[in-house]
Amino acid sequence: EVQVVESGGGLVQPGGSLRLACAASGFPFSRYDMHWVRQVSGKGLEWVSGIGTAGDTHYPASVKGRFTISREDAKNSLYLQMSSLRVGDTGVYYCARGKSDTFDLWGQGTMVTVSS
Amino acid sequence: EIVMTQSPATLSVSLGERATLSCRASQSVVGNLAWYRQIPGQAPRLLIYATSTRATDIPARFSGSRSGTEFTLTISSLQSEDVAVYYCQQYNNWPLTFGGGTKVEIK
Repeated sequence: EVQVVESGGGLVQPGGSLRLACAASGFPFSRYDMHWVRQVSGKGLEWVSGIGTAGDTHYPASVKGRFTISREDAKNSLYLQMSSLRVGDTGVYYCARGKSDTFDLWGQGTMVTVSS
Repeated sequence: EIVMTQSPATLSVSLGERATLSCRASQSVVGNLAWYRQIPGQAPRLLIYATSTRATDIPARFSGSRSGTEFTLTISSLQSEDVAVYYCQQYNNWPLTFGGGTKVEIK
């Protein structure tokens, strides 16, 4: 089955760190760009990072310098290392497969809560 | 950053009727515009990319069009499974940005 499955979410205090993981299966992972997209509770979607097949990375200003996206093609895995977390980073984090910088396959998401 | 503005915020349509959703870009994104549907409790799903190309397995009742920086998603005959929030997304420039969404409900 073609799918991506996120893990690693949880409760973390402001200023803390968390590492999310995404396990891909059913498609040639190394040949696809991959992304993380988040959704603040009940609100809209925000793209938070992307990584190309050559390891090139992109971030919006809101997370640049705090979040690091990486991939391990041998393990069909994508990661998001998040540090200096803020209350505003709270939300559901989705792993998404890239299709020319659109997102054609989404996981079910993992919840990240930043709270004291 | 390119700002995407969707309207209306909520759209009430009868089953079997046409739904028309709008998305405006703050600057040119050429045709690099996608639409997603997010059914309550589910992850988003890609419907349309490159303004008007339907994604895999997306039914023909969904269509997209463009006039300059104005984009339109049309659902020709609303079905019950189309009750959802719809998002547009530009991918012409970094950072990739989404509109705020249009909620489609049954009248």
